[in-house]
Amino acid sequence: SQQGEEDPQALSIQEGENATMNCSYKTSINNLQWYRQNSGRGLVHLILIRSNEREKHSGRLRVTLDTSKKSSSLLITASRAADTASYFCATDASGTYKYIFGTGTRLKVLA
Amino acid sequence: DTEVTQTPKHLVMGMTNKKSLKCEQHMGHRAMYWYKQKAKKPPELMFVYSYEKLSINESVPSRFSPECPNSSLLNLHLHALQPEDSALYLCASSQGAGTGSWEQYFGPGTRLTVT
Repeated sequence: SQQGEEDPQALSIQEGENATMNCSYKTSINNLQWYRQNSGRGLVHLILIRSNEREKHSGRLRVTLDTSKKSSSLLITASRAADTASYFCATDASGTYKYIFGTGTRLKVLA
Repeated sequence: DTEVTQTPKHLVMGMTNKKSLKCEQHMGHRAMYWYKQKAKKPPELMFVYSYEKLSINESVPSRFSPECPNSSLLNLHLHALQPEDSALYLCASSQGAGTGSWEQYFGPGTRLTVT
């Protein structure tokens, strides 16, 4: 089964609002990554957070990681129409080469 | 150059055809990946090559045959596919593989339709 489950499955917000999406996973990890995918295209890496980190920022993105709860959140502040995309978390089960992607959140930002 | 290229962008093939998907990167990355993605689903890992050697095969049917001719190229040979194999096939690369924290760079994908 998939490593990560994300919620919500879909999110629709107005431009300028903040968007928060959550990822839960099942086993211990080395790191967790977030990716963005515009419709039917390749994925773009957004941010990587290691298992010994709790929070990380990159521009308008803020990622938190709670290893005790096996969960992560991605916050996009001051959203723009261009942020409309699907967002996936990906985790590597400790000791493996494999990244398993979560179910994804489809974000729609309305202008 | 931080780009992963994939050809072709679109491919339509019959169930008796043989075709190949190609992927190329010039970032000096030593790990390359094939993923399959169905509509509105996350990418599913198919194969991982590390230092040009196949390190992971996620129980993929033998009608999919990967090949890594050198450190920059990755091919996926297709033969006798089924309509349910229609999907977006994504190639990715990373600086390393295995234990560590490796960002993956994805190509734009090949949209495959099997008729």
